[in-house]
Amino acid sequence: QQPVQSPQAVILREGEDAVINCSSSKALYSVHWYRQKHGEAPVFLMILLKGGEQKGHEKISASFNEKKQQSSLYLTASQLSYSGTYFCGTDQTGANNLFFGTGTRLTVIP
Amino acid sequence: EAGVVQSPRYKIIEKKQPVAFWCNPISGHNTLYWYLQNLGQGPELLIRYENEEAVDDSQLPKDRFSAERLKGVDSTLKIQPAELGDSAVYLCASSLVGSADTQYFGPGTRLTVL
Repeated sequence: QQPVQSPQAVILREGEDAVINCSSSKALYSVHWYRQKHGEAPVFLMILLKGGEQKGHEKISASFNEKKQQSSLYLTASQLSYSGTYFCGTDQTGANNLFFGTGTRLTVIP
Repeated sequence: EAGVVQSPRYKIIEKKQPVAFWCNPISGHNTLYWYLQNLGQGPELLIRYENEEAVDDSQLPKDRFSAERLKGVDSTLKIQPAELGDSAVYLCASSLVGSADTQYFGPGTRLTVL
């Protein structure tokens, strides 16, 4: 039930864009995105509910294709502060029991 | 507004010893979660509370793990006895409601079992 994330790791220069993908073999009710820096708590980014609505704010946005059980996180004009490990958490029933992927380690360099 | 509070932040024990972790959720949050996070992995849900009731504990190893949430606020997760494989970060999270709602995580307790 654990979703699969890709890529596992990516290195960007400041200002470059990145896409992180999250794929599940099960039908999904919602997808939750988090960013975690080393030794810190996961920080919430956004939730996407089934319906395919794309959400976002500033330079981070995401989409959810419920037919394909896939979600993508879009990071545009990356900043040094974007570095960290990004996790998607998937909820199959609406009970908010999240299954997290293994993460995508993003490193932004000057 | 204060976030999710956990203590201790770090704990080192020898195997077979008991250990307990404490969590204070965000004020007013009815749903509380305990997760385990191994190095390089995503969090794994152990147990979810709706107020005082444990509504999903299917992933909790009940032979050695136990949890309680008295009065529907603070929660304690206990391991007795601890094994080497229990070394991990134990994260607590809370949400206002239990459906499609944002989960806010605490800083976690890093457990090392020697």
